[in-house]
Amino acid sequence: GENVEQHPSTLSVQEGDSAVIKCTYSDSASNYFPWYKQELGKRPQLIIDIRSNVGEKKDQRIAVTLNKTAKHFSLHITETQPEDSAVYFCAASLRGADGLTFGKGTHLIIQP
Amino acid sequence: EAEVAQSPRYKITEKSQAVAFWCDPISGHATLYWYRQILGQGPELLVQFQDESVVDDSQLPKDRFSAERLKGVDSTLKIQPAELGDSAMYLCASSRTFGTGELFFGEGSRLTVL
Repeated sequence: GENVEQHPSTLSVQEGDSAVIKCTYSDSASNYFPWYKQELGKRPQLIIDIRSNVGEKKDQRIAVTLNKTAKHFSLHITETQPEDSAVYFCAASLRGADGLTFGKGTHLIIQP
Repeated sequence: EAEVAQSPRYKITEKSQAVAFWCDPISGHATLYWYRQILGQGPELLVQFQDESVVDDSQLPKDRFSAERLKGVDSTLKIQPAELGDSAMYLCASSRTFGTGELFFGEGSRLTVL
């Protein structure tokens, strides 16, 4: 089955700086790669996703890049703000929301 | 805004007891998922329903776990008997239909087994 590795497990950045979280996946057939944000004590929520026919996608301060050849994808957050503090999970699947395999998460800490 | 409802939010039980969790997906969502999230890890899929049918239960420990979605709407996940290693957050999620992109998660049911 699919295996998703996520790094780093904890990331601390100064407010206003950029943050990058990286994931690798094992199944070359995977074609859907979402990122979920989970604030402390709250439910995971989708923040951005990308499909394998696209190399990059942006939404305001967040962007995701995908390298299918290397089987890795990354989340980029620019101009970080205190409300960006959360755990971020990457995931991969063959069929949209079905059978998503999640990474172990990255705890992003925004320091004032 | 419609949300996935789950209950109870918290459950403390002793090992060997039975526990049950309930989930009501967003109205009209045909696909329902139960995930288990152990502290410090990502969600792990236990079972997926399309309407009332099980699509994937390959990761469900069937000797002690069961799940049903009898009328294709709300769902129940049961554990009997509970073991210490079952302590985790049980998350329910729904999506509009099979293969669509976004999962909508509930707030979860946190289980502590003593």
